[in-house]
Amino acid sequence: DSGVTQTPKHLITATGQRVTLRCSPRSGDLSVYWYQQSLDQGLQFLIQYYNGEERAKGNILERFSAQQFPDLHSELNLSSLELGDSALYFCASSTRTGSGTGELFFGEGSRLTVL
Amino acid sequence: AQKITQTQPGMFVQEKEAVTLDCTYDTSDPSYGLFWYKQPSSGEMIFLIYQGSYDQQNATEGRYSLNFQKARKSANLVISASQLGDSAMYFCAMREVNYGGSQGNLIFGKGTKLSVKP
Repeated sequence: DSGVTQTPKHLITATGQRVTLRCSPRSGDLSVYWYQQSLDQGLQFLIQYYNGEERAKGNILERFSAQQFPDLHSELNLSSLELGDSALYFCASSTRTGSGTGELFFGEGSRLTVL
Repeated sequence: AQKITQTQPGMFVQEKEAVTLDCTYDTSDPSYGLFWYKQPSSGEMIFLIYQGSYDQQNATEGRYSLNFQKARKSANLVISASQLGDSAMYFCAMREVNYGGSQGNLIFGKGTKLSVKP
């Protein structure tokens, strides 16, 4: 158990709909990262938050948005869903710099299926 | 821009033998970190090993070791005495620049699917 909690674990929805994925980082971690893993693909970085502020942005579509709340949990909002958005969405968290190796601790992922 | 390349989409290894999974990287930063993760069929991402660019010795963690060749920009993962439970996807990753106290995000390669044969 990495200590990172993601909900829901599975989600099935229709094209054009909107969904929200939720992530609670490990206790004490200030950074949250979102990744998308499509079928047979590597992990694509979407966005990073640190203590409530956006820190880095990857290939995140304009239809997607995220935020990190004062209690440090994060939400990834996916709107106007398309079939190609079907993927496993990971949330990860990490410690501050200077603490350990800086590896990311991943949640179990939220598997989104768009029909 | 930083880039990670894993050229082996799939590999087979006999149980109890050693296997090397290749990873090359590209960066212009003198300070960087390299990571390997394992993703079993159940889907979770499991951190295996880390190598810092200034580390003098190759990293080792149990049966995992990292063959770090800085001049060649390679960071190959070596798994010794393969077990059936090692069958999984393996991802090499590099950390992007840290900023303001936060660890930079990781850029991942496309992965290598390892199958261990009994």
